[in-house]
Amino acid sequence: GAGVSQSPSNKVTEKGKDVELRCDPISGHTALYWYRQSLGQGLEFLIYFQGNSAPDKSGLPSDRFSAERTGGSVSTLTIQRTQQEDSAVYLCASSLGGLAGQSYEQYFGPGTRLTVT
Amino acid sequence: DQQVKQNSPSLSVQEGRISILNCDYTNSMFDYFLWYKKYPAEGPTFLISISSIKDKNEDGRFTVFLNKSAKHLSLHIVPSQPGDSAVYFCAASVRSGAGSYQLTFGKGTKLSVIP
Repeated sequence: GAGVSQSPSNKVTEKGKDVELRCDPISGHTALYWYRQSLGQGLEFLIYFQGNSAPDKSGLPSDRFSAERTGGSVSTLTIQRTQQEDSAVYLCASSLGGLAGQSYEQYFGPGTRLTVT
Repeated sequence: DQQVKQNSPSLSVQEGRISILNCDYTNSMFDYFLWYKKYPAEGPTFLISISSIKDKNEDGRFTVFLNKSAKHLSLHIVPSQPGDSAVYFCAASVRSGAGSYQLTFGKGTKLSVIP
């Protein structure tokens, strides 16, 4: 079965431009997470989607970052007016769900390496 | 303020010997701990986990130990194999009650197993 896929695998953009990163979660997984890994750092939580519930946006670093999840499946992370400090690997993960008292392992995609010049 | 710390950025071990990777945490609300393995250009792969109600979980060559009083966990790999060479991330989450169950990661330890 297909795992989590992300596109593009690499993106180079000029400072000030907007970028969109895409994530296709594992079919049937209702929970979707975005993380980023900056150079020499651990993974940093950005945003969480669970079914039709309002997303948990508590990890987004600024209002230039936003994310959508259409139809409970595919998600796009948008970074507006990119800055050099946005350069990082952006990772998407999905899991079976996040019901209270239950949780499941997160499966990660290969990531999108974003370079802002 | 780092809530999950992996103080050793790298570790080298001879093939066949034991690899011990350490992790400390500061948030006493964490009740579930995981280890992920990451190869270059790939996403992290789940390896093993442990709930805070246990102090040990074993899966084949991999064993995770949890010392709640010390807020410390460790991953033991025995025997180490060259294919184990990767970056290992310790992660923690809060799984009691409702929430996003987001993972808080350490910065990783690069393990090199020397043939």
